[in-house]
Formats: sequence, C-alpha cells, structure tokens
Amino acid sequence: TQLLEQSPQFLSIQEGENLTVYCNSSSVFSSLQWYRQEPGEGPVLLVTVVTGGEVKKLKRLTFQFGDARKDSSLHITAAQPGDTGLYLCAGRTTDSWGKFQFGAGTQVVVTP
Amino acid sequence: DAGVIQSPRHEVTEMGQEVTLRCKPISGHDYLFWYRQTMMRGLELLIYFNNNVPIDDSGMPEDRFSAKMPNASFSTLKIQPSEPRDSAVYFCASSWDPLRSQHFGDGTRLSIL
Repeated sequence: TQLLEQSPQFLSIQEGENLTVYCNSSSVFSSLQWYRQEPGEGPVLLVTVVTGGEVKKLKRLTFQFGDARKDSSLHITAAQPGDTGLYLCAGRTTDSWGKFQFGAGTQVVVTP
Repeated sequence: DAGVIQSPRHEVTEMGQEVTLRCKPISGHDYLFWYRQTMMRGLELLIYFNNNVPIDDSGMPEDRFSAKMPNASFSTLKIQPSEPRDSAVYFCASSWDPLRSQHFGDGTRLSIL
C-alpha cells in the first residue's frame, strides 16, 4: 500500500490545455516535494512545500499544499510538450527525518 | 558541475550472479541514498548514509542486498546472489540537506535473466 496516492495515473492532453495532478495521503507531512522524471533519467526536484495552505509558483506550474498537510496538487497552465514526464510527489512525516516516501507518479503526455 | 554519476547504466546478468552497482555523489554532499524503481512498487528507498555511515537500511529487501560507502566520493550496492525479481532501475541520490532536495543520478537499469 502506497503512503502517497497519486491521481490520475496517466494523463494525455493537447498543447495549450491545463491540467492538475493530485497527491493524497491519510498521513500528515512535515514537508512534501514534487519531482519530474523523464525517460532514462533520474527525478529532478521541482519544489518543496512545508506550510499548510502554501502555494508556490514556478513559471506555468502552481503547487499547493493542503491546509492539513495531507495532500497536494500540481497545476500546469497552457501545457507544452516539454512538460511531458512522470510527476512524482514525495512526503516526509515528522517521524522519518531525512526519508521521503514517493508516490507511484502521474505520467503526463502533452502532444503538439 | 558534475552531477551524481552511476555505473554501469545497464546491466544484464543471469540469476545467481553477483551484481555491483556504483555511485559517485556530488562533491560536498554528506548524504547518499539508494533507491529502486519498478512499475509495481514505484520508487523505494533502500538505504541512506550520512558522512559515510549507514543511517537507515530498513528498506533493504533482504540479506542478499548490501551497501557500503568506504569514502565520501564512492558507494556501492551489491546483490549476491541476484534473482529475476531484483530487475529494476536503481538510483543513487545525494544531498547536502535532505530536508530540501536530493540530486539523482540517471540510474542503472538492471535485468536479471
């Protein structure tokens, strides 16, 4: 059983459309990270959120941490083919210093 | 700056053979992590080191797996004997502050026949 549930598992959209992916858990996290992974490469960190209700923006990407620190979302505005990849969330609970547990990921495909 | 370097990139071997995966972390990073990624189980933490000392190996699947970090610039993950179910992509990551970010290598794709 995954500590972090990501949805949807797969998302295919056209260039210019918006998308949102979700990361949910029954556990409270002291911090949560989002990574993007491309084929044949390791995950690359996009953002870290630590405060309940926090919203961070990275160009066309908007990350939100739930008020209760149990869930998070990633919204991409006007998606581009370069946004294609596996999006992973990773959470750290208060009793697991240094250890982040990863969700299974959402595979996003953006077609021109 | 060089990132985390893993070798080999691909390894194909027969079951029962010993497999050694290698990792060179980013210079100055005190933390080193070994992960395994499969379609079924996603990305799993196997073990992590701080200042060359293993801190948590609770994710190591069984005694066939062992990891060492003889110095700050090198770590190995060894599987002996290997089994087909060990087939996966193994990632090494390093960090100067794991609460902030981890830098991943490009992984070793391991296939056990």
